[in-house]
Amino acid sequence: KAGVTQTPRYLIKTRGQQVTLSCSPISGHRSVSWYQQTPGQGLQFLFEYFSETQRNKGNFPGRFSGRQFSNSRSEMNVSTLELGDSALYLCASSLRDTTYGYTFGSGTRLTVV
Amino acid sequence: SQQGEEDPQALSIQEGENATMNCSYKTSINNLQWYRQNSGRGLVHLILIRSNEREKHSGRLRVTLDTSKKSSSLLITASRAADTASYFCATALATGFQKLVFGTGTRLLVSP
Repeated sequence: KAGVTQTPRYLIKTRGQQVTLSCSPISGHRSVSWYQQTPGQGLQFLFEYFSETQRNKGNFPGRFSGRQFSNSRSEMNVSTLELGDSALYLCASSLRDTTYGYTFGSGTRLTVV
Repeated sequence: SQQGEEDPQALSIQEGENATMNCSYKTSINNLQWYRQNSGRGLVHLILIRSNEREKHSGRLRVTLDTSKKSSSLLITASRAADTASYFCATALATGFQKLVFGTGTRLLVSP
């Protein structure tokens, strides 16, 4: 079966711009989570969606937002980009929640200049 | 802040040797999961051990969990060069099942 698909793979944006990242989960997986990975902070939880509802949100500013569509596909948006937002953004899907293992996408590498 | 701390931070071994990585965490968990990441790519799920389990095997992987010490270990037996990667433990908290909290990771280098 197809894995978790994230697009685009790479992005270069300028400070102040906004960006939208996309994630298509494994068919049948209803939970989609987003993580930010940086060398300094490691893997940090952004938010999790299940059946179009955000169930949990990490400690990130309001510039970071997301949504999930009825087909479980998810997007995350970062507005007013800052240099510190440069990171690998990873999407993961699960059947229902963390009682199952997660399948991760290959990530979107965002560089803010 | 990260829930898990892993040690060692880096580990270098020869092919055929065993590799052991340790993870400590802070709060009660529902389960603990191990993931592998190759060169900044996505993470690959290796194994999940539930809080009522003490040991689990999968191929060349052996995971132990000691909830009294809030620690886990991952043993990779007969390592191969292809095992070179970063390994992360991730905890699913006992209250609320919507997020994994990742450890700091161990970088494993297996030389031929």
